[in-house]
Amino acid sequence: DAGVIQSPRHEVTEMGQEVTLRCKPISGHDYLFWYRQTMMRGLELLIYFNNNVPIDDSGMPEDRFSAKMPNASFSTLKIQPSEPRDSAVYFCASSGAPGQSFSYEQYFGPGTRLTVT
Amino acid sequence: KNQVEQSPQSLIILEGKNCTLQCNYTVSPFSNLRWYKQDTGRGPVSLTIMTFSENTKSNGRYTATLDADTKQSSLHITASQLSDSASYICVVRDKTGANNLFFGTGTRLTVIP
Repeated sequence: DAGVIQSPRHEVTEMGQEVTLRCKPISGHDYLFWYRQTMMRGLELLIYFNNNVPIDDSGMPEDRFSAKMPNASFSTLKIQPSEPRDSAVYFCASSGAPGQSFSYEQYFGPGTRLTVT
Repeated sequence: KNQVEQSPQSLIILEGKNCTLQCNYTVSPFSNLRWYKQDTGRGPVSLTIMTFSENTKSNGRYTATLDADTKQSSLHITASQLSDSASYICVVRDKTGANNLFFGTGTRLTVIP
């Protein structure tokens, strides 16, 4: 398996523009997580899905952020409109094994480095 | 308030030397603690997971300890190599129905020749 795939790897956009980050989890994994990482705050869990259903989005900073998982092999994180303070590295992770997934290792993608100018 | 604090924030050591990274947490009720290694420009990779009943667990040159009474964990790296240069992140999961994760901000380790 190629692991968790994220695209793009780098994104530079202007304030106010819409940004869409994409993630393909490891095949067979039924949990998918979106994280944001900054120097100041470290890793923060934004939202996670189980079997394509959003379970907890309490980490999503504000309404400008939205995430979808239309099927088991694809998820998007959208920021609209983007702001300079959204600049960070966004990671997608997946884990498997129904029922015990929270104890199972999460496999992280390479991340998308977002810069909003 | 549930928190995870790591120390030191950064560390520079000579190749071949040992080092110990610390993680103190206040998360309760405690479920497990995981150490991740994150190379520059990459996502974190799990090194080891510690549950309440485990005191020590090794993964090659990495040894993690857990003291659930004092809520402290350490990651000891033996005979460091240049490839150990990375950020090491401590993540604690609680035992509530929400299974919340609490992240430390990491220790940046640099191993120099």
